[in-house]
Amino acid sequence: EAGVAQSPRYKIIEKRQSVAFWCNPISGHATLYWYQQILGQGPKLLIQFQNNGVVDDSQLPKDRFSAERLKGVDSTLKIQPAKLEDSAVYLCASSFSGPSYEQYFGPGTRLTVT
Amino acid sequence: AQSVAQPEDQVNVAEGNPLTVKCTYSVSGNPYLFWYVQYPNRGLQFLLKYITGDNLVKGSYGFEAEFNKSQTSFLLKKPSALVSDSALYFCAAGGTGFQKLVFGTGTRLLVSP
Repeated sequence: EAGVAQSPRYKIIEKRQSVAFWCNPISGHATLYWYQQILGQGPKLLIQFQNNGVVDDSQLPKDRFSAERLKGVDSTLKIQPAKLEDSAVYLCASSFSGPSYEQYFGPGTRLTVT
Repeated sequence: AQSVAQPEDQVNVAEGNPLTVKCTYSVSGNPYLFWYVQYPNRGLQFLLKYITGDNLVKGSYGFEAEFNKSQTSFLLKKPSALVSDSALYFCAAGGTGFQKLVFGTGTRLLVSP
């Protein structure tokens, strides 16, 4: 079974530039998550999709971050413009529907903003 | 608000000895509890979960976890540690409905030969 795919694996940009991350979840998983993991901290949920609808985006900085999940499969997360404090690993995860199901994580994208 | 605490930044144990990693949680309603492991430059991997039923749950790689409702704790355990168990371990908690999963800050496990 193929896992969660993410690209790119690494990205270095200057502040005020824009960046986009891509995620392909495990086939059949209706729920998709984007997390931000800052060094030394646990993952923080940015946005959760159920199929192509948003379930929770309460911690997404909507003035600069946006995400979409077209056709309920792949998803993109965009940052525009980036700030220094956005330097982190961005993790995508997917699961079957419902909070009792475990999440499967991709390898993450390490973003460095200079 | 939901929260998860992992009071130990690092746990050191000798290979062959038992290990325990601590986690306490606060969620409304019945909790759903998870342990994940993170190896360097890799995403998180699911180890085990508690949803309901037996307070002792078994997971991957010989790990098990003990749920204690009165102490709101979810302890990760392994009877005999391996050097290859050295990694970063995260406890996470959610609840009924669509409460988001909240992660602890992680505990680094170092198993020495």
